[in-house]
This record gives sequence, C-alpha cells and structure tokens, in this order.
Amino acid sequence: AQSVSQHNHHVILSEAASLELGCNYSYGGTVNLFWYVQYPGQHLQLLLKYFSGDPLVKGIKGFEAEFIKSKFSFNLRKPSVQWSHTAEYFCAVNTGFQKLVFGTGTRLLVSP
Amino acid sequence: KAGVTQTPRYLIKTRGQQVTLSCSPISGHRSVSWYQQTPGQGLQFLFEYFSETQRNKGNFPGRFSGRQFSNSRSEMNVSTLELGDSALYLCASSLGEGSGANVLTFGAGSRLTVL
Repeated sequence: AQSVSQHNHHVILSEAASLELGCNYSYGGTVNLFWYVQYPGQHLQLLLKYFSGDPLVKGIKGFEAEFIKSKFSFNLRKPSVQWSHTAEYFCAVNTGFQKLVFGTGTRLLVSP
Repeated sequence: KAGVTQTPRYLIKTRGQQVTLSCSPISGHRSVSWYQQTPGQGLQFLFEYFSETQRNKGNFPGRFSGRQFSNSRSEMNVSTLELGDSALYLCASSLGEGSGANVLTFGAGSRLTVL
C-alpha cells in the first residue's frame, strides 16, 4: 500500500528563517504529489502540486517543492517564513481515483 | 465561485446513534471524496463518488456509507456510532476527470463528537 512519511512532526522557527519540510512516499509508479496547508481554524488549502515536467514546482505564497524521483521525495521549501505561516502542513500522494494518501502532517510554529 | 459546503459544521451524538453529513461540491465538480481526520490517525480516505457511482473505498467498516445525487451533492452516513468515530469529517470535490481530476478542494468539515 502507498504511504507518505513526514519526518518532522513539529517544527519551530523564528521569523525570517528558512523552511524545509521533508516528505517521502512509497510507490513505484506514476504519482501526483501535493502539499496542503491547514491554518488554525481553517480548512485544508492546496499549496502546490506536481503532476509531471519540471521537478521544481512553485505554489502560492512563495512556497516551492522539489520532486526527486530517485529519492521518492517531495520536500517543501520557503526561503523566509513569517508568523502568519504558522499552520499544519500535509504532504499527499495520489495514485488514482482521487484517493489521496496523506502524511501525518508537520505542525509549524513561527515565533515573532 | 462558492467553495465546498459541508453541513452541519458541528454535531454531538451518543453511542449507538447514526449520523448523516452533507456535502455540496463546487459547481461543475462531479467528484466528491470523504476523509476522516483525527489526531491519532491523521487524514484517512473514506470513499469517492463520481456521477453517483462509488469509484473507490478506503478501509473503514461497513457502518460508514455514502451516496451521491444527480446534482453531485453527497451524503455520508455513519451508523451505530462508536466513541472512536469522533472526528472531523472532510469533504473534497474535484472535476473527477481530465487534467483537473486529482486536484481536490476541501470543505471546512463537519466535526462530530460521540459521547
């Protein structure tokens, strides 16, 4: 069965620090990869997605992610975080029929 | 355009009761998926419907069921509620086919508490 691992469950950063959240998946075939964000009290929102092509994808709010097929990874990055980026971040993989397999999430706390 | 609408937003039930949750997808979206979110298990896929047909189902007991209507609105039902069913139930919609098939838009969820 497909699985998604997010290695960091909690991350604490100061404002202006750089962010990198790890995500690894287990599936040998073609995958669609996603990062979603859940701000406190709000619904899940799509940050970015990778279907094919350029492995470096850019999403909303200055986030980007790099797909490395050989490492089965899809890490999320942001050069400089702000307090407003405090949220829970979920990596997800789709292998067909709109079934997303989510990672356990990473809670990011950005201290002002 | 309006997003994914879920009702009710909050509800409290007791063990043994049943509950029905509703989801109205984004206009034009024909696929509706349901997920359960709990602190312990995270986000888990329940099932997905497209054009009134269930196309995929997760590993949940038969107490969890769903359906989709001709207008793409969907309902999920949980019968004989257990304490462990307390969770945030999320609905997501997508085009269901073509290039946008796998891009899900989530609703705010229905938070179920079972006492």
